[in-house]
Amino acid sequence: KNQVEQSPQSLIILEGKNCTLQCNYTVSPFSNLRWYKQDTGRGPVSLTIMTFSENTKSNGRYTATLDADTKQSSLHITASQLSDSASYICVVSVMDSSYKLIFGSGTRLLVRP
Amino acid sequence: EPEVTQTPSHQVTQMGQEVILRCVPISNHLYFYWYRQILGQKVEFLVSFYNNEISEKSEIFDDQFSVERPDGSNFTLKIRSTKLEDSAMYFCASKGYEGSEQYFGPGTRLTVT
Repeated sequence: KNQVEQSPQSLIILEGKNCTLQCNYTVSPFSNLRWYKQDTGRGPVSLTIMTFSENTKSNGRYTATLDADTKQSSLHITASQLSDSASYICVVSVMDSSYKLIFGSGTRLLVRP
Repeated sequence: EPEVTQTPSHQVTQMGQEVILRCVPISNHLYFYWYRQILGQKVEFLVSFYNNEISEKSEIFDDQFSVERPDGSNFTLKIRSTKLEDSAMYFCASKGYEGSEQYFGPGTRLTVT
């Protein structure tokens, strides 16, 4: 069964600090892995997208890594800001006729002043 | 910047009633999706739509659900006889071509009483 698991479930950090979120997946056939940011009551917004051959990708203060052998990914946030408070969701796309997305449960991040 | 729009933002309906959720995908996009997110749970795939037909649907998408692209711009999700457990955020997404990014709308919050 296609699954995406994330840890931790929630995280509280102080403004300016760094943090790393983890994702493990069992999705086949694999197309790509994305990290989304979702504010409460809003739709997910893409941060990064990585294919099988990519090990790391950055988007400003967000850096995602992918280890396709161990089927693990991480999202590192540097110099956190209050506006980073949101849910961060690891999503894997299935390489089938629909390219549907399999979502993780997300990590709820709270950045405190 | 083009974006996916959804209406209404919030729909309240009584159990057993029919509801239609509307989405306007990004112009020129060819692939369309509906996802739902029950409060506190992960986003779940419902259905994908391409070339005027359903390309894949999940086990959630039973006979009570249907999708339609009645004209060149709208993409609708109909629930024929709503149940309490249909209460959720419903997200529409679209993308331009195979493997490209899916862009999500802001969602419609459906409350069934």
